[in-house]
Amino acid sequence: QVQLQESGPGLVKPSQTLSLTCTVSGGSISSGGYYWSWIRQHPGKGLEWIGYIYYSGSTYYNPSLKSRVTISVDTSKNQFSLKLSSVTAADTAVYYCARDIPEGYFDYWGQGTLVTVSS
Amino acid sequence: SYELTQPPSVSVSPGQTARITCSGDALPKQYAYWYQQKPGQAPVLVIYKDSERPSGIPERFSGSSSGTTVTLTISGVQAEDEADYYCQSADSSGTRVFGGGTKLTVL
Repeated sequence: QVQLQESGPGLVKPSQTLSLTCTVSGGSISSGGYYWSWIRQHPGKGLEWIGYIYYSGSTYYNPSLKSRVTISVDTSKNQFSLKLSSVTAADTAVYYCARDIPEGYFDYWGQGTLVTVSS
Repeated sequence: SYELTQPPSVSVSPGQTARITCSGDALPKQYAYWYQQKPGQAPVLVIYKDSERPSGIPERFSGSSSGTTVTLTISGVQAEDEADYYCQSADSSGTRVFGGGTKLTVL
C-alpha cells in the first residue's frame, strides 16, 4: 500500500518561497511508471493541480503557475519536493502530494498540509 | 484554458439515486475521473476512465459518459456518501484539470 506524507513549514512570509517535501513509502519512485504530483486546495475551495515530476527528473507544470513552481525529486530518499516562489496570501492553501497515473489521474494522496502565507 | 463545469450542489434523500454531472469540451476525447472528499480529508478516487471503479469502492458508485458530459451516479445513497465530489480530466497537453466540485447533501 503506497503512502505519501507531506512535510514543511506551515507558515511562510509574503514574497518568500514555499517549500514542501513529500515522502513516499510502500513503493519506490525510481521504479518508474508513475508521475508524482502536487495539488492544492484553497480554504473552502476546489482543487488545483500544480505539476508533476517523473523519477528521471522531467517535469510538467500547470501553465497558470509555471513561472513560480519548481518540483524536484530525490530518489535516494524516495521523496519529491515543491518550491513556490514569491508567495502571496492567495497561495494560502492545503497542499497535497499524490501519485499520478500517466493516463492523467491520482490514485494515492497524502493527507495534506496547510500552508498559510502571512507576515 | 480548459474548464470542467459541475453543479455546486445536489441534494437527495437516503436510498434515492444521486446524479452529479460534469461538462467539458474535451470530454469526448479525454477520460474523466471522480473523487470523493469528506471534510478534513484528502480526496479519494471513486471512478476512473469514465466508468471504472477502483477496488474497495462500493458498487453503488458508477460513472458514465455521453458527449461532452460525464455523470457520477450514486445508487441507494447512504448518509456516509455526503461529501464533496470533484470531476477531473486532462487537456490535450497533459494539464490535469478539476471541476469546481459538487456538494452532495443527504437529506
